[in-house]
Amino acid sequence: AQSVTQLGSHVSVSEGALVLLRCNYSSSVPPYLFWYVQYPNQGLQLLLKYTSAATLVKGINGFEAEFKKSETSFHLTKPSAHMSDAAEYFCAVSTGFQKLVFGTGTRLLVSP
Amino acid sequence: DTGVSQDPRHKITKRGQNVTFRCDPISEHNRLYWYRQTLGQGPEFLTYFQNEAQLEKSRLLSDRFSAERPKGSFSTLEIQRTEQGDSAMYLCASSLSWGSGNPYEQYFGPGTRLTVT
Repeated sequence: AQSVTQLGSHVSVSEGALVLLRCNYSSSVPPYLFWYVQYPNQGLQLLLKYTSAATLVKGINGFEAEFKKSETSFHLTKPSAHMSDAAEYFCAVSTGFQKLVFGTGTRLLVSP
Repeated sequence: DTGVSQDPRHKITKRGQNVTFRCDPISEHNRLYWYRQTLGQGPEFLTYFQNEAQLEKSRLLSDRFSAERPKGSFSTLEIQRTEQGDSAMYLCASSLSWGSGNPYEQYFGPGTRLTVT
């Protein structure tokens, strides 16, 4: 079975500061990993994905994530936070053409 | 391409009533997924279709829940005899299962928020 653990239900940063959202996964087969963002009362938007190509993945809005097999991690980073980044972020794992298994989410708060 | 759409966006119903939600996927996508998201949690998988075939159902999908995708295009999710515990956001997503696009990517609709009173 696959699972995802997101450390920290809330992360607070100042505008312009580094954003780091943590995700650890468990999978018995090579995983596909995703980060999604959800704004209030909206669906999920894909930020980036890892599908066994480059381990450093760049996504939209300046986000990137690095797949580290030895640490079973796929942390999301952004060098400089913007007010518009405030949202809920979900890490998810799948085996490819299958259902997504999501973490419990991390709410990012950005203060001026 | 207008993305995944869901109808209605909000539904308030009384306990014991039946409700039905509709999802229209991206037109060329042959896979369609249903997820449920409760407050403060990540989405949980309910079921998915490839074309009109329902290929997997979660144990979360009790026999009060039924989903269909009769012509391999839109899908409906029906909940019979609703309970307060059914209150949640119901999300639909679609994807390709092959091809030169992005077959691993699921595109989500805005969701239907169900409140059972």
